[in-house]
Amino acid sequence: GAVVSQHPSWVICKSGTSVKIECRSLDFQATTMFWYRQFPKQSLMLMATSNEGSKATYEQGVEKDKFLINHASLTLSTLTVTSAHPEDSSFYICSARDFQNRAITGELFFGEGSRLTVL
Amino acid sequence: RKEVEQDPGPFNVPEGATVAFNCTYSNSASQSFFWYRQDCRKEPKLLMSVYSSGNEDGRFTAQLNRASQYISLLIRDSKLSDSATYLCVVNDNDSGYSTLTFGKGTMLLVSP
Repeated sequence: GAVVSQHPSWVICKSGTSVKIECRSLDFQATTMFWYRQFPKQSLMLMATSNEGSKATYEQGVEKDKFLINHASLTLSTLTVTSAHPEDSSFYICSARDFQNRAITGELFFGEGSRLTVL
Repeated sequence: RKEVEQDPGPFNVPEGATVAFNCTYSNSASQSFFWYRQDCRKEPKLLMSVYSSGNEDGRFTAQLNRASQYISLLIRDSKLSDSATYLCVVNDNDSGYSTLTFGKGTMLLVSP
């Protein structure tokens, strides 16, 4: 079935550094990918919608200069957390829909998630 | 602002029990509904879609009540492996854009 792969699964970094997270659709083309953030005991919150070949669409309250999104190909989107601080520590998850091959139009396939800890 | 509300739980039940979760949504025009399952520190995975006529998949039954704007998930004969957080997800189409809104999830703990 459709698979979305995310890397790295875990990352620990020092405050002030930047961290890049990759999201790949392995067996389908994803013109649109979604980036979510989940804090402990909270729901998934959509951060931004990543569009292949164009600028990402950010949700209200999400700083586009801090969370840089690049969607350069139909199978890869990256999220870069710039100048990370401890409050950015969270579980970041990407997702995509396989519109061409999936009958369930609302189904999202998620990456495995990336747990970021900023010291 | 679209809202999807769930009882956070946790629901503690013994093996073999029947448990039901409810979820309410605020947008009467919402078009499709899903239940996702999320294990601890893992990504969510689709459990089942929710159809207007109700649908069943083995021990799991999902129902939709559009008039009251809620959906439900019933789990019969609970297994230890059912322990997880169950997320209610609502799909809306606004001007051609499909957006998903997630509830905060209901935690289920099944004990021996």
